[in-house]
Amino acid sequence: GDSVTQMEGPVTLSEEAFLTINCTYTATGYPSLFWYVQYPGEGLQLLLKATKADDKGSNKGFEATYRKETTSFHLEKGSVQVSDSAVYFCALMNNAGNNRKLIWGLGTSLAVNP
Amino acid sequence: EPEVTQTPSHQVTQMGQEVILRCVPISNHLYFYWYRQILGQKVEFLVSFYNNEISEKSEIFDDQFSVERPDGSNFTLKIRSTKLEDSAMYFCASRSGQPNQPQHFGDGTRLSIL
Repeated sequence: GDSVTQMEGPVTLSEEAFLTINCTYTATGYPSLFWYVQYPGEGLQLLLKATKADDKGSNKGFEATYRKETTSFHLEKGSVQVSDSAVYFCALMNNAGNNRKLIWGLGTSLAVNP
Repeated sequence: EPEVTQTPSHQVTQMGQEVILRCVPISNHLYFYWYRQILGQKVEFLVSFYNNEISEKSEIFDDQFSVERPDGSNFTLKIRSTKLEDSAMYFCASRSGQPNQPQHFGDGTRLSIL
C-alpha cells in the first residue's frame, strides 16, 4: 500500500541555519504531496503542496519539489527562525478514487535555538 | 478565511462511557474525514464521508465508532464505549470537490480516557 517515510527527529538548529527534512514515498499512480506543520499546542496546518512531478510548492520561505524519479518531496528552508519550531509532517494523497485520504509520515520535530 | 472548527478542545471521559466529538467543516466542502494521533505517533486515517455515507474506513474504525452529519453542517464522531487506548488527538478535516485540493484541518480535540 501507499506509504510515506520521513527522516526521524528531533532536529535542532541554530537560527539562520539551512533546513532539510527528507521525505520519500511509495504510491501507485500519481499522488499529490503535502507538507503540514503543527505548532506547539495547535492543529495541523497546510504548509505547501505539489500535485504533479517537478512541481515546486513554496510558502513562508519553505520549499519542496515533487521528484518522481526519486519518489521524494524533501522540505527545505534557507534560513530558519525560532518561530519555525514545530513538528513537520509529510503526507500523500492518492488521487485514484474519490476518498483521497491522507497517508502520513511520522513527523519530524524541529527546534530552532536563538 | 473559512476554517474547520472542532469542539471541545479537550474531553476527559471515564472508560466505558460514550463520547461525541464535534466538527463544523468548511461550508462548501463535500468530503469529510476523521484522523487521530496518539501521543508521539503518526497521524492515522479513521474514516472518510461523502454524500451522507462512509466512503472508506480503516481497521481502527470498528463497531465502537460511528460518524454522522445530522444537520448539513455538523460532522460528528461517536465512540460508543471508550477504552484507554482511545486516548488521542482527534482531527477533523474537510475538502472541496475540486481536483487536487488539500484537506483543511481543525485544531483537534484531545480525548483523555481515565
